[in-house]
Amino acid sequence: GESVGLHLPTLSVQEGDNSIINCAYSNSASDYFIWYKQESGKGPQFIIDIRSNMDKRQGQRVTVLLNKTVKHLSLQIAATQPGDSAVYFCAEGITGGGNKLTFGTGTQLKVEL
Amino acid sequence: KAGVTQTPRYLIKTRGQQVTLSCSPISGHRSVSWYQQTPGQGLQFLFEYFSETQRNKGNFPGRFSGRQFSNSRSEMNVSTLELGDSALYLCASSLAAGPMNTEAFFGQGTRLTVV
Repeated sequence: GESVGLHLPTLSVQEGDNSIINCAYSNSASDYFIWYKQESGKGPQFIIDIRSNMDKRQGQRVTVLLNKTVKHLSLQIAATQPGDSAVYFCAEGITGGGNKLTFGTGTQLKVEL
Repeated sequence: KAGVTQTPRYLIKTRGQQVTLSCSPISGHRSVSWYQQTPGQGLQFLFEYFSETQRNKGNFPGRFSGRQFSNSRSEMNVSTLELGDSALYLCASSLAAGPMNTEAFFGQGTRLTVV
């Protein structure tokens, strides 16, 4: 029969508002985390990364927060724009474990005008 | 600087056939990883090559294989194709100059359809 697709959580925000996308990671040994943005028909695009010796890192309009105690990662996008509409994935890796990344299921961000 | 290039962009194959996909990493990048993306399973790691050696392997059957050449270009091969192999196959390249993970940049992917 047909395979059932992953149900992607959806976050709808108004243009100009701030967006917060959350991710729970699985491996307590993971010490490297990345956020990717994937637009329809394209490969994932690197947004920002953070290592486990930090709990916050800021980029241009984006901030990543890491809470190792509860294995939680969040991506904050300031002043969300229509071009931010995409699926956002968090990914985790382990130093010394090569560049293998384990991805979360993704969150669909929809920006309403 | 050119990004990660994957060829072909689209492929249609018949069950039982085999297929080879190609990935050219960003110049100077030595690590190439492959991922399978499907609506049902999301993004799943296949394998990683570094300096022509497989460094990591995901949980895929032996029908999935790969290799890396001395210029860091990589190919992956899927033999005896099954309908469930229909997916977007993504290649990611990383500098990987030391033990620390480095940013992984993805190509546009190869959309494989098995009929």
